[in-house]
Amino acid sequence: DADVTQTPRNRITKTGKRIMLECSQTKGHDRMYWYRQDPGLGLRLIYYSFDVKDINKGEISDGYSVSRQAQAKFSLSLESAIPNQTALYFCATSESGQGAYEQYFGPGTRLTVT
Amino acid sequence: AQKVTQAQTEISVVEKEDVTLDCVYETRDTTYYLFWYKQPPSGELVFLIRRNSFDEQNEISGRYSWNFQKSTSSFNFTITASQVVDSAVYFCALSEYPGGFKTIFGAGTRLFVKA
Repeated sequence: DADVTQTPRNRITKTGKRIMLECSQTKGHDRMYWYRQDPGLGLRLIYYSFDVKDINKGEISDGYSVSRQAQAKFSLSLESAIPNQTALYFCATSESGQGAYEQYFGPGTRLTVT
Repeated sequence: AQKVTQAQTEISVVEKEDVTLDCVYETRDTTYYLFWYKQPPSGELVFLIRRNSFDEQNEISGRYSWNFQKSTSSFNFTITASQVVDSAVYFCALSEYPGGFKTIFGAGTRLFVKA
């Protein structure tokens, strides 16, 4: 089984709808991240969490919210989806400690907002 | 503010050629980490290397090598004797300590290796 899983893998939704993307991990990592990928822009950080009680905004948090329900679960919500939130979304995890560590990514969720 | 620039949007080479992917970063901090990730056509992101700002030694792993130069704020990636399976998008990334080690990615370089 994959260490980092994301559900759903694909989603089409309409403008104004609320949608939640879920991420689960079995790696036992404290740090979790949400990114979006757009062509030509690379990955941009939306939110990150260094433990269950620590949640921080990334580069592009407007229009998004997150919930860290447990060490293993980190959900991303779009309260009122808009078409420019159409993108590929990745969840990632990493070890914690006295530095920055490589991230392990989920398979991605392709979201289309019509 | 931290920034990562991958000026090469796309590179096309013929199999067995060597290719270098450039990465230039900006940071005002002395403690930071640099990474390279690979995203093959299947879409998953795969970690390749991590380097901290206090370790300027170059690294070689098989056909892959990395050249870290603090004087020019660069962390370039070279593939020797490229193969079709190297075709992917490659991302350079930077994490700074004062930022709580949040990670900023470059826009990526798409590499095409033709047979």
